[in-house]
Amino acid sequence: RKEVEQDPGPFNVPEGATVAFNCTYSNSASQSFFWYRQDCRKEPKLLMSVYSSGNEDGRFTAQLNRASQYISLLIRDSKLSDSATYLCVVNRDAGNMLTFGGGTRLMVKP
Amino acid sequence: DAGVIQSPRHEVTEMGQEVTLRCKPISGHDYLFWYRQTMMRGLELLIYFNNNVPIDDSGMPEDRFSAKMPNASFSTLKIQPSEPRDSAVYFCASSLAYHHTGELTEAFFGQGTRLTVV
Repeated sequence: RKEVEQDPGPFNVPEGATVAFNCTYSNSASQSFFWYRQDCRKEPKLLMSVYSSGNEDGRFTAQLNRASQYISLLIRDSKLSDSATYLCVVNRDAGNMLTFGGGTRLMVKP
Repeated sequence: DAGVIQSPRHEVTEMGQEVTLRCKPISGHDYLFWYRQTMMRGLELLIYFNNNVPIDDSGMPEDRFSAKMPNASFSTLKIQPSEPRDSAVYFCASSLAYHHTGELTEAFFGQGTRLTVV
């Protein structure tokens, strides 16, 4: 089993739709969590960190469920510019080893 | 700061040749990561350093791969001899740990080196 798993998609949604991605992780001792965004043929960039109580940044909401070992990303009012691959990232305890999921591809259509 | 700088951006080489990828992390960052990305396997962590010391190299696929960080501002990833299955995009990323918790802040990636071994 992979340490961090994501549905690869693609998720095809119309502009204005709400879309959610989940990511599961296998190491219960994982300490910190992130969502990164990667555009085609570009490097990954941080979208947002994920905090235990959940957090929101504009149209984006991230949540953590430690009991079930998954994190989620909700995007409201999707824009064409949201089309990208979204990578779930988990930082294991002691050692700061950043492990990436395989990514979920989102395509927002007009 | 110019961000994480990788060179070369593209490399095409023949099977059996030695390939050296270079990375300059962001000044002041104490963690450096080397990743490989392919369509089939996604982003794989190869090795990472903390304060120039290799911490975990369990992701290095085999002995043909080696990485060094001789100082805080430079790292290399070497493949010798290269094989066609090494073709991928290789990313270097750097980060800084919070002083009081030791947890990482945001990891910044370089633009990657696209390696093609023919």
